Amino acid sequence: GDSVTQMEGPVTLSEEAFLTINCTYTATGYPSLFWYVQYPGEGLQLLLKATKADDKGSNKGFEATYRKETTSFHLEKGSVQVSDSAVYFCALRALAGNTGKLIFGQGTTLQVKP
Amino acid sequence: NAGVTQTPKFQVLKTGQSMTLQCAQDMNHEYMSWYRQDPGMGLRLIHYSVGAGITDQGEVPNGYNVSRSTTEDFPLRLLSAAPSQTSVYFCASASGRGQETQYFGPGTRLLVL
Repeated sequence: GDSVTQMEGPVTLSEEAFLTINCTYTATGYPSLFWYVQYPGEGLQLLLKATKADDKGSNKGFEATYRKETTSFHLEKGSVQVSDSAVYFCALRALAGNTGKLIFGQGTTLQVKP
Repeated sequence: NAGVTQTPKFQVLKTGQSMTLQCAQDMNHEYMSWYRQDPGMGLRLIHYSVGAGITDQGEVPNGYNVSRSTTEDFPLRLLSAAPSQTSVYFCASASGRGQETQYFGPGTRLLVL
């Protein structure tokens, strides 16, 4: 079945460091791909998305490129801030069917220290 | 707009008790869903609905019931709580049949003793 695998955390970085969180997926066809962020005590918020191969999603300085050849959707940010500390989830949504079901990775905790 | 709201924020139950987790949205979204979040497992779909009167099972539906009598509300019922249902529950909604961006509520943390 479809699945998403993320790098295990926690990831601890100093402020202004470069961030990469790896995400790879297994799916039939060409799913839509998402990054969601969960700040402490809150629900999930959509951070960015890409719906077809080679699309780049971007938001708040974060970027991710849909790579069909490597089935990856790695999240990057050039200079992290303390306020970026959160849990990041990679997810996919299969095109087949109308369930709207999102399949999530296990989440990666990011801690940014001043 | 309040977006997606969930009540209660936190609940403690004893094994065998029943309860209903409430979810409401004010965006006139047709699609609503329930997920549970467990450590190291991401979120897993419990049930979903593509409109009033229509519900279907997700990945982990056992032990949970849902109904959708109105567009706005999508309650999740635990008929006989078990410790394995200790989790954080998130409700989400989207326009259309779920192919658009999904908006999540703040979650309900449930502890079953």
